[in-house]
Amino acid sequence: SQELEQSPQSLIVQEGKNLTINCTSSKTLYGLYWYKQKYGEGLIFLMMLQKGGEEKSHEKITAKLDEKKQQSSLHITASQPSHAGIYLCGADGNLGDDKIIFGKGTRLHILP
Amino acid sequence: GAGVSQSPSNKVTEKGKDVELRCDPISGHTALYWYRQRLGQGLEFLIYFQGNSAPDKSGLPSDRFSAERTGESVSTLTIQRTQQEDSAVYLCASSLGTTQYFGPGTRLLVL
Repeated sequence: SQELEQSPQSLIVQEGKNLTINCTSSKTLYGLYWYKQKYGEGLIFLMMLQKGGEEKSHEKITAKLDEKKQQSSLHITASQPSHAGIYLCGADGNLGDDKIIFGKGTRLHILP
Repeated sequence: GAGVSQSPSNKVTEKGKDVELRCDPISGHTALYWYRQRLGQGLEFLIYFQGNSAPDKSGLPSDRFSAERTGESVSTLTIQRTQQEDSAVYLCASSLGTTQYFGPGTRLLVL
């Protein structure tokens, strides 16, 4: 079965610094989603990537899907306290598999 | 250790019919969330229950959608007078702290 592995599990960065979170799939990705989660709130959809080599940006957050479509990275530039939270990657299962799968999340803390 | 379970796993219905989707959260989890994912889109937040507090219904797309939760146990998401645009995978998640644990989802197809 397909699995998503996120790294690091936890990240502490100084405000203003850049950071990268990775999501690696055991199989080819047909749709890769990035979400942000804050305590007591539902998941917030950030962006979706489908094509190998695709890159999307939203404000100071950029996500890429590698050419082989098995890894995605999320990059935050000049981090701010508002970026703190848990970042989760999710993927559509392989063709014929109905399941939606998620990584275990990366917990991001921003130090003032 | 059972995880979050949802039923049915698949549901095909005719336009205009009502459907009920069930979520059994992990025992002891005070928070429960409903989401949906339509084809080619990200998860869309629907509703959030936390203990005995009033639920956050801000994500429900119309008054055809409603959800109930009895205490800290089972939740039911009801869609009345289903429309074709309601076709999606409906996901439930529960949590005790910050980490949400997702169920396998119910795939709804409205013909």
